[in-house]
Amino acid sequence: DVKVTQSSRYLVKRTGEKVFLECVQDMDHENMFWYRQDPGLGLRLIYFSYDVKMKEKGDIPEGYSVSREKKERFSLILESASTNQTSMYLCASTNRASGQNTQYFGPGTRLTVL
Amino acid sequence: SQKIEQNSEALNIQEGKTATLTCNYTNYSPAYLQWYRQDPGRGPVFLLLIRENEKEKRKERLKVTFDTTLKQSLFHITASQPADSATYLCAPRGYSSASKIIFGSGTRLSIRP
Repeated sequence: DVKVTQSSRYLVKRTGEKVFLECVQDMDHENMFWYRQDPGLGLRLIYFSYDVKMKEKGDIPEGYSVSREKKERFSLILESASTNQTSMYLCASTNRASGQNTQYFGPGTRLTVL
Repeated sequence: SQKIEQNSEALNIQEGKTATLTCNYTNYSPAYLQWYRQDPGRGPVFLLLIRENEKEKRKERLKVTFDTTLKQSLFHITASQPADSATYLCAPRGYSSASKIIFGSGTRLSIRP
């Protein structure tokens, strides 16, 4: 059974704190993604990675950075958390095969920035 | 820019009826279209994929159609059950694995007993 795990289900941080969200997949997938999901806005792509040490900006990268040091792990970093980064964060992975590839999602991390 | 539109209004259906959800896209020519289910507080789960050269795809009580002329996909759940209540997302996709997935904002479906 394929699995994508995220380090926390719920997280509460203060404005200005550095926040790390971790995602691990056990499917040997090349591609990994970070999204945020907000009511009425749907899923928005923050960053994605096609390979170890590679990263590409998505639609809303401002205020975020990522790290992919190992194939199975993709980290999202909020350098200085702000209240407008309160959201549900979802990690996903796919294999490289083709555009047919489906995305496997983690359970999500609900981040609240106070 | 590419745009995906799903019915933002929640859909309320009587148990046993067929639920039909709509996904329209503009400024895009996807090679595939995926449908996902998302339960509250959880990540989306893949349900079905349909290719641009397929008119219709079925899986148990689910049916998806893909009309590239209308730029529309319809998602049907027949004999709906309260357990089908969830948000359903459509995600058009290009040929290349390098093309990122764009998701619609989803339609919330409620099946009342």
